[in-house]
Amino acid sequence: KAGVTQTPRYLIKTRGQQVTLSCSPISGHRSVSWYQQTPGQGLQFLFEYFSETQRNKGNFPGRFSGRQFSNSRSEMNVSTLELGDSALYLCASKIVGQMNTEAFFGQGTRLTVV
Amino acid sequence: SQKIEQNSEALNIQEGKTATLTCNYTNYSPAYLQWYRQDPGRGPVFLLLIRENEKEKRKERLKVTFDTTLKQSLFHITASQPADSATYLCALLGKSSGDKLTFGTGTRLAVRP
Repeated sequence: KAGVTQTPRYLIKTRGQQVTLSCSPISGHRSVSWYQQTPGQGLQFLFEYFSETQRNKGNFPGRFSGRQFSNSRSEMNVSTLELGDSALYLCASKIVGQMNTEAFFGQGTRLTVV
Repeated sequence: SQKIEQNSEALNIQEGKTATLTCNYTNYSPAYLQWYRQDPGRGPVFLLLIRENEKEKRKERLKVTFDTTLKQSLFHITASQPADSATYLCALLGKSSGDKLTFGTGTRLAVRP
C-alpha cells in the first residue's frame, strides 16, 4: 500500500510570507503528527491530529497551525515566516487505538526561508 | 522538563564490528521506547520497539535493551555493514493514549569497509 505522502518536497519562501504543507497518511491511519527537524534541535513535535481534532500540541508559537480533514489528510500552515523556520517538516501517521505501533513517516518537505 | 539524550558525536566503526548507540532520558517514565533509522533527506523508518517491562528485544542483527532504573536504552548492531551507515533516533512514548512520541536528537553511525 502507498506510504505517507508529503507535498511539496521542496519550498523556498520569503520572510513574512505564509506557507501550507500537505500530508496524506497511509490508508486507514487516522492519526497524523507533524515534526520540525533542524540540525541543532533534532525532531521537534509540532502537533497531532486525530479525527479532525488536535489532541496534542508541542511548544511552538501560534504562527504554526494545522488541520485535518475527514479523509485524514492533514495540512500545516506557518504564517509570517522567519528565517529560523527553515527546516525539514515531517509528518507521520499511525494506526489509532494501538499505542505501541510504529509511526510511518513521509519524505518530508524541505522549507527554506530567505 | 523531559529530556532525551543521544550522543551527538558520530560513531565511526569498522565493518564487521558491533555498533552500540546510547539513549538516556530524564524526567520521563516511558511505557515504550522505539528506535528509528534515518537516511539523509528521508523520513525516519521504524526499527524496533521495546516495552518498559522488557529488558531486551532482538531482530536479526539488531538488539535493544531497556533499563528503566538507569533510564537508558542501548541499541546494538552486530556484524555491522557500510549499508548500516545512517542516523539512529530513539523515541519515547508515555502511558497515556494521547501521549506524543518524543525523539532524541539522533546519533550518526558511519561504518567503514
